[in-house]
Amino acid sequence: DQQVKQNSPSLSVQEGRISILNCDYTNSMFDYFLWYKKYPAEGPTFLISISSIKDKNEDGRFTVFLNKSAKHLSLHIVPSQPGDSAVYFCAARTWGQNFVFGPGTRLSVLP
Amino acid sequence: NAGVTQTPKFRVLKTGQSMTLLCAQDMNHEYMYWYRQDPGMGLRLIHYSVGEGTTAKGEVPDGYNVSRLKKQNFLLGLESAAPSQTSVYFCASAGGEVSNQPQHFGDGTRLSIL
Repeated sequence: DQQVKQNSPSLSVQEGRISILNCDYTNSMFDYFLWYKKYPAEGPTFLISISSIKDKNEDGRFTVFLNKSAKHLSLHIVPSQPGDSAVYFCAARTWGQNFVFGPGTRLSVLP
Repeated sequence: NAGVTQTPKFRVLKTGQSMTLLCAQDMNHEYMYWYRQDPGMGLRLIHYSVGEGTTAKGEVPDGYNVSRLKKQNFLLGLESAAPSQTSVYFCASAGGEVSNQPQHFGDGTRLSIL
């Protein structure tokens, strides 16, 4: 039973448009959420995070939104670039410094 | 600036063989983790360590053992490899002094068990 869900296995977006990646979680005790980006044959790299006391965090082209009542997280990428094509993982902190990851969404940004 | 280094990058084993995967980090991080990634399942935690000399079980620990004799190294062992352990293994580390820190990952070890 997955505690962190990413219901879209893949997403295609035109270059310059907005990419929206979604993540749902089941445990209301999660207090810290992260997005990682993964290219083929590489490890995941940290992209952006948000604490449960906030509802938005922005870093350049990347913005993460948190809706605690809906237990929903989203990552917005504006504008999308071909180099953003990768697998994106949503993760949530369970306790201490342990995290649970979603299955990932493969984003393809088309030129 | 190496970060997290995993060796080997690829390995093919026969069922029943044993092997050890090595993870080394140069960031003086307290926490270290071993994950496996399988299609459609994200990253699942095998074992983790909160400091030198400590280890603990994660979500899928069966068939694996770990050791953290030195702060910078975290070893993952397979005593008797099984085909179900075919996967990509990722090591990660995180600092322990400040909360809300992300994990830093190695580039993975692709392991095939025949």
